[in-house]
Amino acid sequence: DGGITQSPKYLFRKEGQNVTLSCEQNLNHDAMYWYRQDPGQGLRLIYYSQIVNDFQKGDIAEGYSVSREKKESFPLTVTSAQKNPTAFYLCASRVVRGTEAFFGQGTRLTVV
Amino acid sequence: AQKVTQAQTEISVVEKEDVTLDCVYETRDTTYYLFWYKQPPSGELVFLIRRNSFDEQNEISGRYSWNFQKSTSSFNFTITASQVVDSAVYFCALSAPNRDDKIIFGKGTRLHILP
Repeated sequence: DGGITQSPKYLFRKEGQNVTLSCEQNLNHDAMYWYRQDPGQGLRLIYYSQIVNDFQKGDIAEGYSVSREKKESFPLTVTSAQKNPTAFYLCASRVVRGTEAFFGQGTRLTVV
Repeated sequence: AQKVTQAQTEISVVEKEDVTLDCVYETRDTTYYLFWYKQPPSGELVFLIRRNSFDEQNEISGRYSWNFQKSTSSFNFTITASQVVDSAVYFCALSAPNRDDKIIFGKGTRLHILP
């Protein structure tokens, strides 16, 4: 089945550790996105990429890093510099500008 | 700057009632797209509809309908004869392809359909 796979679904990490969230898509979409969702805050854009080996900061990029070495993959690293990393993270992709985005099932990260 | 406002944080209605979710957007672009998504308790966002800025026709899909009015910068979503399965968080979003490739979301409206 075509779609977007995020793994793991739940992730626990100790404070001060970096952690990488996986996002893979087999839809042959060019653009990929990472959003963070907190209660009452809606979805806030962290990073996005329109093409392999290129990406742009979103509205809340501080404390996060990404890479786009393959069209299918857009991993997100939550670094120790992110002051409040506990949240629900959603990955999305779309084929071209203006079309609808499709979302993965999300990763719930808890930092203790 | 682009912005999407969903002023209704939470709405509760009794099953079979009609309910309208409001969405107001801001953009200086003349070409833009508006979207609605549903987020059930499982967490994954489900795409419902896309509308471009040049098409102001209202759309109906089963019990769902959308009212796009450029004059008031609104793109409201109505559920007719609501059902318990409609309970979810609903997001309105905006994308202006000539500006950048961002998709800007509102904060969402949590809809409770009471049996």
